Amino acid sequence: GIQVEQSPPDLILQEGANSTLRCNFSDSVNNLQWFHQNPWGQLINLFYIPSGTKQNGRLSATTVATERYSLLYISSSQTTDSGVYFCAVDRGNDMRFGAGTRLTVKP
Amino acid sequence: KAGVTQTPRYLIKTRGQQVTLSCSPISGHRSVSWYQQTPGQGLQFLFEYFSETQRNKGNFPGRFSGRQFSNSRSEMNVSTLELGDSALYLCASSYGMRRTGIFYNEQFFGPGTRLTVL
Repeated sequence: GIQVEQSPPDLILQEGANSTLRCNFSDSVNNLQWFHQNPWGQLINLFYIPSGTKQNGRLSATTVATERYSLLYISSSQTTDSGVYFCAVDRGNDMRFGAGTRLTVKP
Repeated sequence: KAGVTQTPRYLIKTRGQQVTLSCSPISGHRSVSWYQQTPGQGLQFLFEYFSETQRNKGNFPGRFSGRQFSNSRSEMNVSTLELGDSALYLCASSYGMRRTGIFYNEQFFGPGTRLTVL
């Protein structure tokens, strides 16, 4: 099956700093999504981005499908950005998740 | 549009019992997928149902089963519970099919059911 690797596993930032999270995947995919898991466990959709670049406020994402990686950028981080960020991919209908990046934003 | 709902939100069972979890997808979505999240294994795909048929299955034992009804609502059943089944069970819904020639499968997750097996 497809392997998904996320880096870094942990990231600690001061409020206001910028960050880049990376997702590498081992094969071509139909779907790539970025999620933020809140403290209660719910996965919040950030981006549906099998290719190209998208922006939503302070967050943006880029997927280079030919090179099998995606990047999530968080600018001017806030304490509410803390949590675990997951990248997930699928080729059909069985989504495979990376291990996540745990982001801690300190005030 | 209402989001994905899951019931119950919390559940405590003992070893050997069985449990049924329910998921109602977003209106218009025909695909429902189930995932298990544990600290040790992370998020793992269980199975996916589309139009009342299991379309994909992950690598879990036969104790884990599911079904989907004609209104797209889905249930997941775990029989003969083991301690290792303690986890957050997440359900996701999507269109799960081609739209204008492109396979569009953005998944939207429910809040999850936290199962504790004692």
